[in-house]
Amino acid sequence: EAQVTQNPRYLITVTGKKLTVTCSQNMNHEYMSWYRQDPGLGLRQIYYSMNVEVTDKGDVPEGYKVSRKEKRNFPLILESPSPNQTSLYFCASREASSGSFQPQHFGDGTRLSIL
Amino acid sequence: AQSVTQPDIHITVSEGASLELRCNYSYGATPYLFWYVQSPGQGLQLLLKYFSGDTLVQGIKGFEAEFKRSQSSFNLRKPSVHWSDAAEYFCAVGGSGTYKYIFGTGTRLKVLA
Repeated sequence: EAQVTQNPRYLITVTGKKLTVTCSQNMNHEYMSWYRQDPGLGLRQIYYSMNVEVTDKGDVPEGYKVSRKEKRNFPLILESPSPNQTSLYFCASREASSGSFQPQHFGDGTRLSIL
Repeated sequence: AQSVTQPDIHITVSEGASLELRCNYSYGATPYLFWYVQSPGQGLQLLLKYFSGDTLVQGIKGFEAEFKRSQSSFNLRKPSVHWSDAAEYFCAVGGSGTYKYIFGTGTRLKVLA
């Protein structure tokens, strides 16, 4: 089954304690992306990656890091989490075929609470 | 600037009634338009997409959307709403040559029995 898998689904942690949210896709997609969803703000893109070792900032990258060492994985790293990073996070992937803009496949989300 | 506006934050309809969710976009190039649905505790599921061609597109779950270039709109419709349609709906735009999606802020649909 084609899917994007995020872990953990829920996490409560404290300010300053480094954490990583993993994301893996089994569709051989080139493009992967991270979003955060906050009430009244919709989804805002944090980082995206066009392929292995190619990443770029989205609209709200501050306080986050990503890496793309393998095509299937795109972890989101919070080096020193702060309460304003409490949010619902989604990973997504899609084909990066030229000449069109493919729809994204989303994971089920990770709810982070930073105390 | 590129943007997507969903002017209705909440909409309530009775089961069996028709539905229209509004989406307006601002995009410099030819837009690729999408509607996604998010059920509680779940990720976003694609309802339909518009790339080119026929401006009325059909999606899953009985939804359709009409692209109106002159109005910069891509409204989502359903002739008869079911209680299971209660969810949050997001409009999104992207474009050839860019790698970014832009999402609207969402419309939360409530369905009355």
